[in-house]
Amino acid sequence: SQQGEEDPQALSIQEGENATMNCSYKTSINNLQWYRQNSGRGLVHLILIRSNEREKHSGRLRVTLDTSKKSSSLLITASRAADTASYFCATPLSSNTGKLIFGQGTTLQVKP
Amino acid sequence: DAGVTQSPTHLIKTRGQQVTLRCSPKSGHDTVSWYQQALGQGPQFIFQYYEEEERQRGNFPDRFSGHQFPNYSSELNVNALLLGDSALYLCASSPGLLAETQYFGPGTRLLVL
Repeated sequence: SQQGEEDPQALSIQEGENATMNCSYKTSINNLQWYRQNSGRGLVHLILIRSNEREKHSGRLRVTLDTSKKSSSLLITASRAADTASYFCATPLSSNTGKLIFGQGTTLQVKP
Repeated sequence: DAGVTQSPTHLIKTRGQQVTLRCSPKSGHDTVSWYQQALGQGPQFIFQYYEEEERQRGNFPDRFSGHQFPNYSSELNVNALLLGDSALYLCASSPGLLAETQYFGPGTRLLVL
């Protein structure tokens, strides 16, 4: 079964707008990661936030983590058409970081 | 520096057949994990290889097996293919079992008819 649940499942915005997607998970975690996938191809690692961090930035990406609510959000600011992709959150099992548990993903469409 | 490579890119098989997918990890990586991604779903962990041994396994039947070679490359074998095995198979590599970030290949899309 999936560990994470992303919300919304699909999001359509205009270029230049911000996109926010959310992820909820079930068990305690060491870290939470966000990946991007373009058109059913391989996943690209975007950002990792550790359980003792509340917010992290990378370029136009901002990730927050609320361990009390077991949730995370990914904000993409000033979106571009090239940001069109599926975005997944993933959490490792606490004792083995090799096994990532993915959510079902949010499909983002950025219209030019 | 080549990233993770997978072959073939696409494959069509019929029910009952067997398939072998191949993965070469990113240079410097010795740990390989395999994932299955059905259409519209997130990837699901199949198993992980390190030092030529299966270290972790997800909830997949024994029809799914693998191998890791001394050069760290890996194979995923699926026997007695079912229609439900149609999916994108992703290989991911990392520098060691404890590495937090995994680097994914482009995947092999398998269609079972």
